[in-house]
Amino acid sequence: DTGVSQNPRHKITKRGQNVTFRCDPISEHNRLYWYRQTLGQGPEFLTYFQNEAQLEKSRLLSDRFSAERPKGSFSTLEIQRTEQGDSAMYLCASSLVQGAGEAFFGQGTRLTVV
Amino acid sequence: KNEVEQSPQNLTAQEGEFITINCSYSVGISALHWLQQHPGGGIVSLFMLSSGKKKHGRLIATINIQEKHSSLHITASHPRDSAVYICAVSTSGTYKYIFGTGTRLKVLA
Repeated sequence: DTGVSQNPRHKITKRGQNVTFRCDPISEHNRLYWYRQTLGQGPEFLTYFQNEAQLEKSRLLSDRFSAERPKGSFSTLEIQRTEQGDSAMYLCASSLVQGAGEAFFGQGTRLTVV
Repeated sequence: KNEVEQSPQNLTAQEGEFITINCSYSVGISALHWLQQHPGGGIVSLFMLSSGKKKHGRLIATINIQEKHSSLHITASHPRDSAVYICAVSTSGTYKYIFGTGTRLKVLA
């Protein structure tokens, strides 16, 4: 399968715990995006990488959130000291720098903070 | 006001009906995207448009750049079309997507 892969698909955690999600983009894609989607809403942009460089971060990405893409391939999104408001679907997408930037999405990681 | 507005938010149709979902946007764009999201979360790209009209099977997407408006049409709707349809725009530079809130479509047999 050469699509965007996200792990885990589901995560239930207690408030205050740290969680980490992983995204494996399509192998030749140098752009990688993280989005967050709460129930009944469209996804919202969190952050963007071009290769290993994190070039843009949303104001939604508080100090408790950190994202990395150490070798320009897979990416991780960590949330520290989770809060109930962090419960959402976290979506990863990737695209090529060349062209119009059509993005391909992973299946998402659904986080529930209890 | 959101940068991308969709209507309607919810739509119930009988099998075979012609369906239209509308999207308007207020920012400069490099492209407009129509996406489909099924329960479980995965998002699939249906169309990417920068002008004119595209057709794929029973789906048709149009865009009017001057009016900053796009429509997604489904002809001869079927229960398997039931999903959330999301309009998004991408802007030049990072090409990040700005999403509408989605239209939840239910097609009844």
